[in-house]
Amino acid sequence: SQQGEEDPQALSIQEGENATMNCSYKTSINNLQWYRQNSGRGLVHLILIRSNEREKHSGRLRVTLDTSKKSSSLLITASRAADTASYFCAYGNTGGFKTIFGAGTRLFVKA
Amino acid sequence: DVKVTQSSRYLVKRTGEKVFLECVQDMDHENMFWYRQDPGLGLRLIYFSYDVKMKEKGDIPEGYSVSREKKERFSLILESASTNQTSMYLCASSIPGTRQETQYFGPGTRLLVL
Repeated sequence: SQQGEEDPQALSIQEGENATMNCSYKTSINNLQWYRQNSGRGLVHLILIRSNEREKHSGRLRVTLDTSKKSSSLLITASRAADTASYFCAYGNTGGFKTIFGAGTRLFVKA
Repeated sequence: DVKVTQSSRYLVKRTGEKVFLECVQDMDHENMFWYRQDPGLGLRLIYFSYDVKMKEKGDIPEGYSVSREKKERFSLILESASTNQTSMYLCASSIPGTRQETQYFGPGTRLLVL
């Protein structure tokens, strides 16, 4: 399967703590994206990191990409209850036309 | 802001019915996609379209067809609904390109086939 693997499958933390989610993939990629999905809703794009980038920031989000290990991580700092959602990594293979989504990490932030 | 809308949030249909799911985007995007999402399986691509009247099969096209008569509208058709098509259906759009750019998703349609 080409599907990305995310780790952990579920994560429960206290408000104010940092949350780290990991994504591994199997092929060469053009870019890697992270999306968020609130329960029963569509996905919302958070951040895109190109294959020639190693780290990217957006507000409380920090994404890293290690193409040698074929892995990426999403760090949410100072989490809030409103960050409770599922988070998906998604990537595009070089030479491919479609985006492949991971199975997601369910994050629960306790107030 | 890009807006992608889907015709229904919730839909209940009977086995054998023909089902139409519609998706409209307002950002003049060339690419449009239909996914289904099932617990533990993530998003699986059913069909995508890169231009009007153009379509390509995704990973799980069986039992589905699509129509793209206008740039802003991409319809998913279940020719004869079956219970194993009960799922969350997500539509998305993106700008053209070969580097798999950001996709903008609709709110989803939760379909129950009885």
